[in-house]
Amino acid sequence: AQKITQTQPGMFVQEKEAVTLDCTYDTSDQSYGLFWYKQPSSGEMIFLIYQGSYDEQNATEGRYSLNFQKARKSANLVISASQLGDSAMYFCAMRELPTGTASKLTFGTGTRLQVTL
Amino acid sequence: DGGITQSPKYLFRKEGQNVTLSCEQNLNHDAMYWYRQDPGQGLRLIYYSQIVNDFQKGDIAEGYSVSREKKESFPLTVTSAQKNPTAFYLCASSLKTSGRASLSTDTQYFGPGTRLTVL
Repeated sequence: AQKITQTQPGMFVQEKEAVTLDCTYDTSDQSYGLFWYKQPSSGEMIFLIYQGSYDEQNATEGRYSLNFQKARKSANLVISASQLGDSAMYFCAMRELPTGTASKLTFGTGTRLQVTL
Repeated sequence: DGGITQSPKYLFRKEGQNVTLSCEQNLNHDAMYWYRQDPGQGLRLIYYSQIVNDFQKGDIAEGYSVSREKKESFPLTVTSAQKNPTAFYLCASSLKTSGRASLSTDTQYFGPGTRLTVL
């Protein structure tokens, strides 16, 4: 069974500073994908960044980057130059090996990030 | 604009009633999903559908039912058999995956959610 672990229930960061949100995963699949989603207080889930298991370089998307360490099975999200609008819940997720054509995701329990002045 | 819509945003149900949550997408995605989120928790998969007229149970399907009569629509019915239905429900969709992990086919896009409360 696949599992995602987020050990930080809550994090604080000052505006304009960088912050790292931790995510470790457990899988026996060779081909897998790792995702980070942001959930503001409104509730919608916003896709941020993706890392494929075969990708040689760490994914980056604007102020978001993914520190992917395959041997350690970790996929930490780094947010640079934090902004007040970054305050939200952040979920790490992994795609399970599909049995059909649907891409099932397993989610972690999330980290609540609070950006302060 | 392409996207996923869910309605209603808030729903109140009396005990013993069935209620149906709507999910519509115009992204031309083949696969659709329903998740449940409880306070302070991650998302748990209720049902998913790969194509029209086909759907599979997820991890917590008991007390729920779905249909997929059209590609664009995947309604979820919360039945009276669901003992603790108060939660936030999220619908998502994705392209058809080929098997190998891929950003384009594996990324799920979510609707705004429906908050269901049992009175």
